[in-house]
Amino acid sequence: QQQVKQSPQSLIVQKGGISIINCAYENTAFDYFPWYQQFPGKGPALLIAIRPDVSEKKEGRFTISFNKSAKQFSLHIMDSQPGDSATYFCAAGGSLRGSRPLNAGGTSYGKLTFGQGTILTVHP
Amino acid sequence: EAGVAQSPRYKIIEKRQSVAFWCNPISGHATLYWYQQILGQGPKLLIQFQNNGVVDDSQLPKDRFSAERLKGVDSTLKIQPAKLEDSAVYLCASSPSGVNEQYFGPGTRLTVT
Repeated sequence: QQQVKQSPQSLIVQKGGISIINCAYENTAFDYFPWYQQFPGKGPALLIAIRPDVSEKKEGRFTISFNKSAKQFSLHIMDSQPGDSATYFCAAGGSLRGSRPLNAGGTSYGKLTFGQGTILTVHP
Repeated sequence: EAGVAQSPRYKIIEKRQSVAFWCNPISGHATLYWYQQILGQGPKLLIQFQNNGVVDDSQLPKDRFSAERLKGVDSTLKIQPAKLEDSAVYLCASSPSGVNEQYFGPGTRLTVT
């Protein structure tokens, strides 16, 4: 019930195209869904995140779409650039909003469960 | 603002040897996480600290892995004895109290031969 499934494993896009990466989760207690970008030899860096009270969030060329009933969310990268070539990870966890304790009901809030990653290559 | 610091960046050891990793989180961040990232996979949480207390260590192989955060600031993760399957990048992350956003360090790449 803690799994987060990510697809595709790898993606090749032409410069200027749209990159789409999908994730599905099982645990309905998850209410925080971030996307991380990781370059070789570096740690993951937070790109954008969404909570289930909205269906879409946009920051620059990056958009998260969220479907609560289907328990799915996706990352769209518009006008993809060669500099976007990296590994992308979706993740899911319990939101730390409010005064909810870090460890309640068997769930550790703040803890993230990551997908398997998508290697994105953007060709010039 | 300085980021999360980790050392060493690389370590090669033989199986059955011991190894320790160090992490210094961003100043003021109360929550500290250790993740294991095996090549080609997403990070997997090993242990989560809030100040110097353990919040979650359910996925830490306690027969060989240990971690501490004695003064609620920096932390060490130890493996004793190491196995071949421990070869991975060990990532440390931190976040302010009550905030979901986690900030990752560059990681320590461990190779066990």
